[in-house]
Amino acid sequence: ETGVTQTPRHLVMGMTNKKSLKCEQHLGHNAMYWYKQSAKKPLELMFVYNFKEQTENNSVPSRFSPECPNSSHLFLHLHTLQPEDSALYLCASSHLTGELFFGEGSRLTVL
Amino acid sequence: AQSVTQLDSQVPVFEEAPVELRCNYSSSVSVYLFWYVQYPNQGLQLLLKYLSGSTLVKGINGFEAEFNKSQTSFHLRKPSVHISDTAEYFCAVSDYNQAGTALIFGKGTTLSVSS
Repeated sequence: ETGVTQTPRHLVMGMTNKKSLKCEQHLGHNAMYWYKQSAKKPLELMFVYNFKEQTENNSVPSRFSPECPNSSHLFLHLHTLQPEDSALYLCASSHLTGELFFGEGSRLTVL
Repeated sequence: AQSVTQLDSQVPVFEEAPVELRCNYSSSVSVYLFWYVQYPNQGLQLLLKYLSGSTLVKGINGFEAEFNKSQTSFHLRKPSVHISDTAEYFCAVSDYNQAGTALIFGKGTTLSVSS
């Protein structure tokens, strides 16, 4: 139990589908993050939310749409994805020390 | 902006041998350093962190790391590895000691322990 829960753990979708990834943290943290992890590539920061406000968007394509309704929940809405978007999507949260607490990840496959 | 270099992409070792995974970061006035481990099909788990104080940091599973400001390094060590230590290891750095500033990660080092 890491304190950060991601659902679903696995998702297969076609390029025309719309789906969402969900992340919930039970640690009382104020910041939440989405990272993308592709094979043979370093972790890529996608979005940062601090106190529900988006503070960073690392040039992510608009087919990825984040939503942070409160400090405990973070969503990543997906639509018209490409096969190269297949990856492990990791959610994390942090408090004052900057240390990240990660979820188990959502493995996305785009057909 | 900060950057992290993990000098070895793969490190194969035999069980019970010592291991060192190397990490260098770009210089900054103040820096906070972390090592994470990722087992197959799992998220990242914190091994240890350096925020301030003693430059030798001890973490979980018998790992330790030493912060060397002059060499801008934070190498991870274990005196005797087990098969179960086989995993991906990531070094990370942060400029600020506050929430909302994302960590910058290295490309990772794959540690493979064989008998």
